[in-house]
Amino acid sequence: DGGITQSPKYLFRKEGQNVTLSCEQNLNHDAMYWYRQDPGQGLRLIYYSQIVNDFQKGDIAEGYSVSREKKESFPLTVTSAQKNPTAFYLCASTFIGDGRQPQHFGDGTRLSIL
Amino acid sequence: EDKVVQSPLSLVVHEGDTVTLNCSYEVTNFRSLLWYKQEKKAPTFLFMLTSSGIEKKSGRLSSILDKKELFSILNITATQTGDSAVYLCAVSSGAGSYQLTFGKGTKLSVIP
Repeated sequence: DGGITQSPKYLFRKEGQNVTLSCEQNLNHDAMYWYRQDPGQGLRLIYYSQIVNDFQKGDIAEGYSVSREKKESFPLTVTSAQKNPTAFYLCASTFIGDGRQPQHFGDGTRLSIL
Repeated sequence: EDKVVQSPLSLVVHEGDTVTLNCSYEVTNFRSLLWYKQEKKAPTFLFMLTSSGIEKKSGRLSSILDKKELFSILNITATQTGDSAVYLCAVSSGAGSYQLTFGKGTKLSVIP
């Protein structure tokens, strides 16, 4: 089945630790995105990538890093510089084309601090 | 800065009621407005609206866009408990960036 797979579903981070969230898609989508969702805050864009080996910062990129070495994969690293990492992280992807395609989402990773 | 405002933020209705959710926006270079439904995990796509006055419909859900007044509404008729979710409105803007700006969502609770 085609879709977007995020793993793990739940993740715990210790102080000073970097953690990496996985996002894989087999939809042949060009663009991939990472969002953070906090209660009552809606979704906020962290990073996005429209082609392999290229990515741009979103509104809240500080404390996060990404890579896009393959079209189907867009992992997000939450670094120790992110002081408030507890949130629900959502990965999305879409075709670029005419800009009229919706973004589709994975099931998310819930990150908490130990 | 692009801005999307949804109202109300939460709503409780009884099964069978009709509800209207609102989304207003202020963005540069508007491309499209999207509605998503989020239950516990992934937001699922409902509608994409690009032209004013054309209603999009799917079963009991419908939506329309007013590009002059910069808002959209999402209607749900004959609500069911399965409609309980957070409904997210997002706007795509800017040339070539394909980014979405989301509102905070409307939490709908449908009680039997």
